[in-house]
Amino acid sequence: TQLLEQSPQFLSIQEGENLTVYCNSSSVFSSLQWYRQEPGEGPVLLVTVVTGGEVKKLKRLTFQFGDARKDSSLHITAAQPGDTGLYLCAGGTGGGNKLTFGTGTQLKVEL
Amino acid sequence: DAGITQSPRHKVTETGTPVTLRCHQTENHRYMYWYRQDPGHGLRLIHYSYGVKDTDKGEVSDGYSVSRSKTEDFLLTLESATSSQTSVYFCAISVPTPRGTGELFFGEGSRLTVL
Repeated sequence: TQLLEQSPQFLSIQEGENLTVYCNSSSVFSSLQWYRQEPGEGPVLLVTVVTGGEVKKLKRLTFQFGDARKDSSLHITAAQPGDTGLYLCAGGTGGGNKLTFGTGTQLKVEL
Repeated sequence: DAGITQSPRHKVTETGTPVTLRCHQTENHRYMYWYRQDPGHGLRLIHYSYGVKDTDKGEVSDGYSVSRSKTEDFLLTLESATSSQTSVYFCAISVPTPRGTGELFFGEGSRLTVL
């Protein structure tokens, strides 16, 4: 069974602070995705990375796939209350149609 | 909007009773999934389907069965519900991307409580 461990599990910060969420595994993945989930809703895809070392930026969010394709990080610059939510990483295998989700990071950004 | 609806959205049942959750999609995508979400565990794959009558087990399939008799419907059945199956269940479809990966679109979830 492939496991994806996320850290930290919970994060509460003030508006304007920077933060990094980590997603680690001992397994190699063909792709790595990040999702954000708000209460009462299903997760929504933020980004997909497929190449070792790949970096993608989405406004204030920066995603990186580890060189060995076993880990990933999500960095948020100048966090805002709208960033509040559950962040989930997901590793893809078998052509990307079967995803293993991480344990999740619950982020709360306060004014 | 990926056109995914789950029903029922909320259900309370008693231990030992059968329960069926339904997932309906409007866009004829090949891959459909059932996940359960519990605190501290993220999303765990129960079963998935890669076509009509083609299904396979995920990492937490014990106590669950699925059926897909039509492309648009994927049913999850708990033959005899137990309290450990209290959870939020999400259905998802996979949409192919130009990069060769699949992007998951999720339904709004079905909250099941087994007393």
